[in-house]
Amino acid sequence: NAGVTQTPKFQVLKTGQSMTLQCAQDMNHEYMSWYRQDPGMGLRLIHYSVGAGITDQGEVPNGYNVSRSTTEDFPLRLLSAAPSQTSVYFCASSPLPEYSNQPQHFGDGTRLSIL
Amino acid sequence: KQEVTQIPAALSVPEGENLVLNCSFTDSAIYNLQWFRQDPGKGLTSLLLIQSSQREQTSGRLNASLDKSSGRSTLYIAASQPGDSATYLCAVMNRDDKIIFGKGTRLHILP
Repeated sequence: NAGVTQTPKFQVLKTGQSMTLQCAQDMNHEYMSWYRQDPGMGLRLIHYSVGAGITDQGEVPNGYNVSRSTTEDFPLRLLSAAPSQTSVYFCASSPLPEYSNQPQHFGDGTRLSIL
Repeated sequence: KQEVTQIPAALSVPEGENLVLNCSFTDSAIYNLQWFRQDPGKGLTSLLLIQSSQREQTSGRLNASLDKSSGRSTLYIAASQPGDSATYLCAVMNRDDKIIFGKGTRLHILP
């Protein structure tokens, strides 16, 4: 099993550019989520999804869009990149928490720099 | 709004000592609490998950406890080793399906 796969691993963008961070999981997990990690800040939830066709906002959703057309994929879109979005982005998946004792599985992260 | 606090922010202890990391949260309406380990420049590795109905979980030298009524969890590491040096993160899964992380404790085990 590949687990949770994030692509790309590194990316440099110019201010105003758009891009999509990809996240895919092969464990048939209903719950998927995106986080950003900044120095000294822990991880902050951007968006999450409890199943295909269902998404919701986390703590820091501004500037980011998501969609969940399939169970496997949960892409994160930056519509107009800003230097404040320079961060490390993590994707995670798990079964629905109310029915499972399984932990969150994390991808290896995407390191994004906005110039 | 759920807030998760981890104390201390950093800790250095000699090899072989037992140690305790603390995590507190403000809203007890949670499904579970998880402890993760993160090495520098790497992703997160799940250590232990405690469901809201449980009091503790154990894995090898690690033991995590949960007191939901007081909003506290502890991670106990027995007989610490240099390889335990990492950042330890606590996260709660709220009943609104949002996961909230603490800022972590940076642990350094001195050889």
